[in-house]
Formats: sequence, C-alpha cells, structure tokens
Amino acid sequence: NAGVTQTPKFQVLKTGQSMTLQCAQDMNHNSMYWYRQDPGMGLRLIYYSASEGTTDKGEVPNGYNVSRLNKREFSLRLESAAPSQTSVYFCASSEAGQGNSPLHFGNGTRLTVT
Amino acid sequence: QKEVEQNSGPLSVPEGAIASLNCTYSDRGSQSFFWYRQYSGKSPELIMSIYSNGDKEDGRFTAQLNKASQYVSLLIRDSQPSDSATYLCAVNSNTGNQFYFGTGTSLTVIP
Repeated sequence: NAGVTQTPKFQVLKTGQSMTLQCAQDMNHNSMYWYRQDPGMGLRLIYYSASEGTTDKGEVPNGYNVSRLNKREFSLRLESAAPSQTSVYFCASSEAGQGNSPLHFGNGTRLTVT
Repeated sequence: QKEVEQNSGPLSVPEGAIASLNCTYSDRGSQSFFWYRQYSGKSPELIMSIYSNGDKEDGRFTAQLNKASQYVSLLIRDSQPSDSATYLCAVNSNTGNQFYFGTGTSLTVIP
C-alpha cells in the first residue's frame, strides 16, 4: 500500500520557469491537499480539493494553480517560479468531512528556485 | 490571527523524563485534533488523534483535550532519544475540510 506518492522528490528551477508537482493517493480518499512548509512558518495550505471536481484556495494560493485530475490525483503547478516559492511541498489526503479522519502525507518535494 | 498556536521551543528533556507539549486553537467549532511527529527532512506522521474532552493514551503518549479552554496537549512519558523531533499540532475545521497547523515544537531528548 503506497499511500500518498509525490513526484519529484527534488527540483531546482530558475526564476520564471514552470513545473508541475504530481500527487497520487491509493486510499480512496475524497479530499486532497497541497501544503508548503517553510522554517518558522509551519505547514501552510496552498489549495485543497474536498472532493473530485472541486478545488478551493487555502492560505497562500498566489502563484499556484491546481488540478484534481480524478479521485486519485491532485497536481500543483507553478506557472512562473519565484525565489519566494523555494520551499518543501507536501501533498496530503484525508476522508475529511466524513468523520474524524486525519491527514496522510506524501514524502514531500524539495523545491529550490534560483 | 493564527488558528493554532504552539510553543516553538526548543524543548529539551533528559532521557526517561516526561515531555509536555502544548497547543491552543481559536476555532471553537473544531471537532478533531491531531498530533504529528516530524523528523528532520521527513514528512509529518500521525501519532495521536483526539476528538472528545479528556485524556487518550496510546503507549507512552497521552493526548489531552479541553474544548472549553481550547487547549490540546501531548505528554510523552519515558522520553527516548528517538523521540527527538518536531511535534505539530493540527486542528480540523468545523466544516471538516480544512486542517490548520501550529508552527511546531522542537523536542530534544538528551541521553
């Protein structure tokens, strides 16, 4: 059982380049999330998808777009990367809204924008 | 206003001691509360969840919830060097769709 799988694990971009972070879960969860984690800032929600076909902004959505491709997959796109987007990105999934279900995290993507 | 507050630490305790980690939250409608452990360079892993007032014990870990005071805590008994990590408090929103995290408390257990 793979749980939540994120790719890539590491990425270095130049300012202005674009990229897509991929995430897939095999737990049949309805809800999926993208967080970024920066030193001293904790985990901050970028976007989430409460169910297939819906997406909503979180606390720090600027500069990002998301696609809920199907129930399993939720991608995060940086259209024009900026140094301020250097961070560790975590995808997570949950049965949130269906009782007391925690978040399950992927292994993270370390992104550096130069 | 931050949704979830934690003492950032760092917190140091000797091996075998009790480590006490605290968290307060602002959303009175929150129903679910979680503690995650995060080792350096790794992803958060769930160690405890609690949904009703009182204590919940799981091995060396005890979570305590007081909804009236909007307070959640985690006690780690017989602390081990392997417990050295950052502990994140997470609160599920009253809609159930969003999770808010504290900034984490760094714990070091000294052998």
